[in-house]
Amino acid sequence: QVQLVESGGGVVQPGRSLRLSCAATGFTFSSYGMHWVRQAPGKGLEWVAVIWYDGSNKYYADSVKGRFTISRDNSKNTVNLQMNSLRVEDTAVYFCARLGRLWSLDYWAQGTLVTVSS
Amino acid sequence: EIVLTQSPGTLSLSPGERATLSCRASQSVSGNYLAWYQQKPGQAPRLLIYGASNRATGIPDRFSGSGSGADFTLTISRLEPEDFAVYYCQQYGSSPLFTFGPGTKVDIK
Repeated sequence: QVQLVESGGGVVQPGRSLRLSCAATGFTFSSYGMHWVRQAPGKGLEWVAVIWYDGSNKYYADSVKGRFTISRDNSKNTVNLQMNSLRVEDTAVYFCARLGRLWSLDYWAQGTLVTVSS
Repeated sequence: EIVLTQSPGTLSLSPGERATLSCRASQSVSGNYLAWYQQKPGQAPRLLIYGASNRATGIPDRFSGSGSGADFTLTISRLEPEDFAVYYCQQYGSSPLFTFGPGTKVDIK
């Protein structure tokens, strides 16, 4: 069965960096695009970034463009989110998710909390 | 930039009742690439509907999606106790590439 497991969340000071990883099992990882989506405490879902199945294309939300970088390693079945110049407003639970049929997000990890605070 | 608006913000219903949730886009959603998700507290979202009207794997047939262009609807024909949750719509195609609506909370009356 499809399983996505994140790691790397935690508490970080404003302006610092953090790297999230998401390990995938149960499907042919190299055939699927992957997303990061976040949810600030008590708020709705915000799409963050997507990477194509082969890494050839990457797209970002305006709120993170130039600060966050999505990448993947198809030999290790992982997708990463490098977050630089973190701001208090980046505090959220971050989910990785698989790009599914007709541009939906069909499988989601359980989420990892990132807290940006001094 | 496309904006998704969901209404109502909160829907208070009793088990067994019908729920009708609306998602309206500020412009037409290309290819009707519109999906619906259910999220319960402390859990990840779960895909319900993709391509406006296709049920995802394992989703009960009491959930149905309809609509096209800029107006979409999620209908839950008869609410079960486990259906009380927050529902989000999501579009693909317009800048930003993916967008979620603000959500509709379905709670117990």
